[in-house]
Amino acid sequence: DQQVKQNSPSLSVQEGRISILNCDYTNSMFDYFLWYKKYPAEGPTFLISISSIKDKNEDGRFTVFLNKSAKHLSLHIVPSQPGDSAVYFCAASGSGGYQKVTFGTGTKLQVIP
Amino acid sequence: ETGVTQTPRHLVMGMTNKKSLKCEQHLGHNAMYWYKQSAKKPLELMFVYSLEERVENNSVPSRFSPECPNSSHLFLHLHTLQPEDSALYLCASSQGLGTGDEQYFGPGTRLTVT
Repeated sequence: DQQVKQNSPSLSVQEGRISILNCDYTNSMFDYFLWYKKYPAEGPTFLISISSIKDKNEDGRFTVFLNKSAKHLSLHIVPSQPGDSAVYFCAASGSGGYQKVTFGTGTKLQVIP
Repeated sequence: ETGVTQTPRHLVMGMTNKKSLKCEQHLGHNAMYWYKQSAKKPLELMFVYSLEERVENNSVPSRFSPECPNSSHLFLHLHTLQPEDSALYLCASSQGLGTGDEQYFGPGTRLTVT
């Protein structure tokens, strides 16, 4: 049973427009959420995170929104650039001491020039 | 070398072979991880080590045997694997095991079991 779900395996967006990647989770014990980005032939790299005490976290062109009641988070990329084309993984964990990080299956984003 | 390195990058082995995957982190981190990524599946955590002690063994078959001789090196010893073990094996490290300790990943070893 997947506790972190990314229901869109792929997404295409025009350069300069907004990219919105979605993620849903089922475990109510999750209270820390992360996004990782992966290029081909490379390992995932950490992009941005959010704690459940917030509903928004912004870092440059990247913003993560958290809706705890809906158990939903989203990553917004504005404006999208061709270099953003990659696979994006949503991940979640509990907090306090060691907590296993649970990953989604990823969404492949293609930004079209 | 910087970051997290993994060798080899590609490995083809028969079901009766014994091989090892190597991971080295150059970040001064205290925790290291092995993950398995199969096609269209989420990353699956296999093992976690903190200061060379195993803190998680995620119901992994005994044909996978980890070894962490020091906080910079992590090995995954493989023997009598099955074709379904073919996958991308990713190593990661983090400063600690706390919630804010983001993991840094290596590029992975693409393993094919024939």
